[in-house]
Amino acid sequence: EDKVVQSPLSLVVHEGDTVTLNCSYEVTNFRSLLWYKQEKKAPTFLFMLTSSGIEKKSGRLSSILDKKELFSILNITATQTGDSAIYLCAVENLVGRGAQKLVFGQGTRLTINP
Amino acid sequence: DAGITQSPRHKVTETGTPVTLRCHQTENHRYMYWYRQDPGHGLRLIHYSYGVKDTDKGEVSDGYSVSRSKTEDFLLTLESATSSQTSVYFCAISESRSYSEAFFGQGTRLTVV
Repeated sequence: EDKVVQSPLSLVVHEGDTVTLNCSYEVTNFRSLLWYKQEKKAPTFLFMLTSSGIEKKSGRLSSILDKKELFSILNITATQTGDSAIYLCAVENLVGRGAQKLVFGQGTRLTINP
Repeated sequence: DAGITQSPRHKVTETGTPVTLRCHQTENHRYMYWYRQDPGHGLRLIHYSYGVKDTDKGEVSDGYSVSRSKTEDFLLTLESATSSQTSVYFCAISESRSYSEAFFGQGTRLTVV
């Protein structure tokens, strides 16, 4: 059974701290790993990772994938209160007839206190 | 924002009643998906569509049916709602197979009492 596990499930830090969110996976037909940020409504896309060891970076956020050990991390440096959200990790894999589905982890609820 | 609208945004219904949720897009994207989000489970795929009248089941399809008679509309029907179907439902659209280009709707919160 395809599985994606995130840790921690919840994290509370102070503004300015650096955080690392973890995502491990076991799926068949792996295509890519995606990170989303979900504030109150729809998940919004952050990163897509397909190759091991290549860091993706956007401002204070960065992510890397290890396809040998089957995990990814999402780093956020100099956190701000606006970073408070649920961060979702998902793995994209093939289903029938060329379509793809996402298998999501449970999410990490990140709270940044001023 | 991508042109994707879910309706209704909130609904309370009684056990045993039929319910239909609508996902409407103005992007002319080929692929459409229905997910549900529950605490402790993340999002899980219910059904998806490759195009008009072309749909398939996801991992939690029991108790749900879908229809796509037009490119722009993907309907999710609960034939006889149960309390276990209380959830937040998200529709997603994508032109390509890759989710890096997919957009999620704002969600429908369904409560079955």
